Formats: sequence, C-alpha cells, structure tokens
Amino acid sequence: DIQMTQSPSSVSASVGDRVTITCRASLGISSWLVWYQQKPGKVPKLLIYAASSLESGVPSRFSGSGSGRDFTLTITNLQPEDFATYYCQQAHSFPWTFGQGTKVEIK
Amino acid sequence: EVQLVESGGGLIQPGGSLRLSCAASGFSVSTNYMNWVRQAPGKGLEWVSIIYSAGNTYYAASVKGRFTISRDNSKNTLYLQMNSLRAEDTAMYYCARSKILAGTPDGLDLWGQGTMVTVSS
Repeated sequence: DIQMTQSPSSVSASVGDRVTITCRASLGISSWLVWYQQKPGKVPKLLIYAASSLESGVPSRFSGSGSGRDFTLTITNLQPEDFATYYCQQAHSFPWTFGQGTKVEIK
Repeated sequence: EVQLVESGGGLIQPGGSLRLSCAASGFSVSTNYMNWVRQAPGKGLEWVSIIYSAGNTYYAASVKGRFTISRDNSKNTLYLQMNSLRAEDTAMYYCARSKILAGTPDGLDLWGQGTMVTVSS
C-alpha cells in the first residue's frame, strides 16, 4: 500500500497568515493527489484534485502543487473559516490511502 | 437536489453483520464511481471500498473478504454489506462519489452525512 505522510500534524496560525502543509507519498503517484478540508462534526470537503486543480466553489486562496512523491497545500490569507483539519489522499492505486491529517488551529 | 443519504448503522455485537445503504438523488449511481469511507471516533479518514460504473470493485485490506460493496440501479442506492464485524470497525461510515478524470476515479466530490456503526458487546 502507498503510505501518505503529512506534516506538520498541527499548525497554529493567525488570520491573514500563509499556511503550507506538505504530503509525501511512499511511492511516486504522478499527480493523483487530492486534498480535503474537514471541520469538527462535519463531512469532508474536496478542495483540490489532480494535485493542483481547484474544485469548483473553493476559494482561490487555496492552492496545491507537486507531483511524484511530494505535494503541498498552501492557504494564503488564512480566514476564520479555514481553521479545520486537512487531509491528503492518493488516488493513484488501490487501496486509496489518506494522510493522517493536519490540524490548522488559531494562534 | 444532488445528495447522498446513508442509513443502516447502529450497535452490533462482534461477529455480527450489518448492511449500510446510501440513497442517491440528483444523479445515477450506476454511471458513477461510488465509494465507502470510514472515520473512527477522533481519528482520520480511511477509504473502504469502491464500485466502478462497470461493476469492478476494490477494497481496503482491512475489510477485504468481510465487506461487500454493491448497488441497486433501480433504487439508485449503494450498499455495504459488513460481515464478521470487529471492534475496530467502529466508525462513521460515509458514502461518497468520485470525480471522474480522464475516465478514472479521482477525488471524492460528494459525501453523505454518514451513518455510525458501533461494534461492541
């Protein structure tokens, strides 16, 4: 199975900050990388697919980059509604696997 | 309205069976790639299974041989038959639709609200 490792596990940031979350795959996955946001008690929400494609309706302050094994989710100008847990997921091969999550907390 | 509504969760003893349902509206499960994803209390997301529009199925190693994904096109409903349940299967179970990228399933763009399964004696 492909292991997905996210870092950091948590990050404290302030409104207006730029936050970067990284995700590393144990094998090359080309651009088959997806990012989700999940708020407490809520359903996960798709943010980015194909490593860098923004899902419809997602604010442009979210961006994704990378290919192969290393990927990044960047949130610029962090807003109050962005405090949540973020997960990466590889869609390259089954079984699909998720990273362990990164919690973005208010500083 | 495009939505997914799960049902069928509950409290079940170890070794028991349960069938989850996911009723879709606003689109057809038969022409989409449909998934089950679970999340244990306070834990991260775990992909469980997928069924292709062509009927191919794939499973996580942790459930292979115990869980079966299926669909009823006439009812536009996705199912997850869960047998030989274990305590570690305790989780919120979500059904989710995959985006389709170049004919291949990609990220999960539509999620249900989930149904809770608790395996305990």
